[in-house]
Amino acid sequence: DIQMTQSPSSLSASVGDRVSIACRASQSITAYLNWYKQKPGKAPELLIYFASSLQSGVPSRFSGSGSGRDFTLTISSLQPEDFATYYCQQTFSTPWTFGQGTKVEMK
Amino acid sequence: QVTLRESGPALVKPTQTLTLTCSFSGFSLDTSGMCVSWIRQPPGKALEWLSLIDGDDDKYYTTSLKTRLTISKDTSKNQVVLTMTNMDPVDTGTYYCARSRTPYYYYGMDVWGQGTTVTVSS
Repeated sequence: DIQMTQSPSSLSASVGDRVSIACRASQSITAYLNWYKQKPGKAPELLIYFASSLQSGVPSRFSGSGSGRDFTLTISSLQPEDFATYYCQQTFSTPWTFGQGTKVEMK
Repeated sequence: QVTLRESGPALVKPTQTLTLTCSFSGFSLDTSGMCVSWIRQPPGKALEWLSLIDGDDDKYYTTSLKTRLTISKDTSKNQVVLTMTNMDPVDTGTYYCARSRTPYYYYGMDVWGQGTTVTVSS
């Protein structure tokens, strides 16, 4: 199975900050990497698919980059609604696997 | 509009079998390349992908639970059913179903149900 490792596990930031979250796969997954956002008590929502494609309706301050084993989710200017937990997920091969999550908290 | 809704028992006893149903609308699971997945989340913990079934009736499972899971679909009812045998308290959590559009390995899981909470306790 492909293991996904996110860093950091948590971070503190302020509104307006630029925030980056890293995700590393245990082997190459080309670009089959998705990012999700989850707020407490809510279902996850898809932000980015295929490493860098923005899901319809997602604000353009979210962007994804990377290929092979290393990927990054960037929020260019953090907004109050962006304080949440973010997960990466690989769909290169089954079983699909998630990272352990990165919690973005208010500083 | 694509929607999914999970249903099933809120409480199951240890060793029992859990049966969850995902009822969906707005798409057909007869379409090759489309799929529905099940994902779970223990309280305060990370998401865990469990299983998927696709339009060709191919089925895939997470390795650690492979022997306990069975996924099936009823395209006439627009439902996907997941059964998990030999339930244990560590299986307590919220269970989600989610849709991926064609081709599913490319587009991620773009629409999710609201989740159903399952507690395993005697």
